Amino acid sequence: DSGVTQTPKHLITATGQRVTLRCSPRSGDLSVYWYQQSLDQGLQFLIQYYNGEERAKGNILERFSAQQFPDLHSELNLSSLELGDSALYFCASSLRQGDGYGYTFGSGTRLTVV
Amino acid sequence: EDQVTQSPEALRLQEGESSSLNCSYTVSGLRGLFWYRQDPGKGPEFLFTLYSAGEEKEKERLKATLTKKESFLHITAPKPEDSATYLCAVQAQGYQKVTFGTGTKLQVIP
Repeated sequence: DSGVTQTPKHLITATGQRVTLRCSPRSGDLSVYWYQQSLDQGLQFLIQYYNGEERAKGNILERFSAQQFPDLHSELNLSSLELGDSALYFCASSLRQGDGYGYTFGSGTRLTVV
Repeated sequence: EDQVTQSPEALRLQEGESSSLNCSYTVSGLRGLFWYRQDPGKGPEFLFTLYSAGEEKEKERLKATLTKKESFLHITAPKPEDSATYLCAVQAQGYQKVTFGTGTKLQVIP
């Protein structure tokens, strides 16, 4: 157990639907990162939050949004889902922002859009 | 834009057969280069951070080295439990984003 908790582990939904993925960071970590991993593209950075504030954005689609709550857990919202959104979604956390600290990753949410 | 290229894509070794994985990178001012291990169906597990050319770090049978353009992950006398995908990633100075390579899938045969 890495200390980063992601729920649900698996999600199957239809095209056009909306889903919410949840992440609880490791105790004491202030920074949360979301990554998408597909077979052909590897780990793609989506977005980062630090202590409740958005700090960096990657190739996140407009249909996707995220937030970090006062208790530091984070949610990634995916809407108007398409078949191509099927992937593993990982949350990671770290104590600080970058500074070369390694991230602690959760075990991911496997999203299947049918 | 930061780029990370890993080679080979896949590597099959006999138990005890040492080898190296390569990570070539392009970044405008390196803050850190990271190595992770990922087992199937799990999240990446942090192994090392390297900060400057010439730096080396070791953990059990793994040794990571860094030059100005690439990093190597040396695996000495690997065991079947070392089988995993090894990911390399870089972070540029002044940026939060960490860019990952697509990984090398290592299989160690008993």
